[in-house]
Amino acid sequence: QKEVEQNSGPLSVPEGAIASLNCTYSDRGSQSFFWYRQYSGKSPELIMFIYSNGDKEDGRFTAQLNKASQYVSLLIRDSQPSDSATYLCAVNVYGGSQGNLIFGKGTKLSVKP
Amino acid sequence: EAGVVQSPRYKIIEKKQPVAFWCNPISGHNTLYWYRQNLGQGPELLIRYENEEAVDDSQLPKDRFSAERLKGVDSTLKIQPAELGDSAVYLCASSLAQATYFGAGTRLSVL
Repeated sequence: QKEVEQNSGPLSVPEGAIASLNCTYSDRGSQSFFWYRQYSGKSPELIMFIYSNGDKEDGRFTAQLNKASQYVSLLIRDSQPSDSATYLCAVNVYGGSQGNLIFGKGTKLSVKP
Repeated sequence: EAGVVQSPRYKIIEKKQPVAFWCNPISGHNTLYWYRQNLGQGPELLIRYENEEAVDDSQLPKDRFSAERLKGVDSTLKIQPAELGDSAVYLCASSLAQATYFGAGTRLSVL
């Protein structure tokens, strides 16, 4: 059974701080890793994806992947109240468009003004 | 470019009634998915299509759920008869190459 684990939170950070969201996965052969943001009552919105070990930066967001530790994280710099949402980690055993996303339960982030 | 379009947005039915959801994926996306998301959980795959072919329906409860994707574009997901435990958000998604994009979902309440 392929699993993706996330701390459900809530994670509370003050405005302007760095929010760190973590995710572990069980299938060592997983190839691609995704972070989605989901506002309450809305559908998941893709933020970033990462395939290779190391860091990938996009604006205020940095995804970090460590395949040896089966660990992927998302850092949000200069957190804003508008970043308050549930962040879903998703893993695909395959790369590209093959296979399916396996989601964690999500971490709820609250950014306090 | 239009995103993944789903309808209806909300549906309330009584148990044992049938219900159907419709999805139009992003133009050119050959892969289409139906996911179900329960409250406080991440989405879980029900079925995946590559063009017209259902390539993974292992998680679809086939006794009451059915899906089709005629002509490899639009798709419908049907539940007959619905049970109380089917209350959830049903998400359609499509992908091309690397990323999967979700529609707004249909929130189903079974009373």
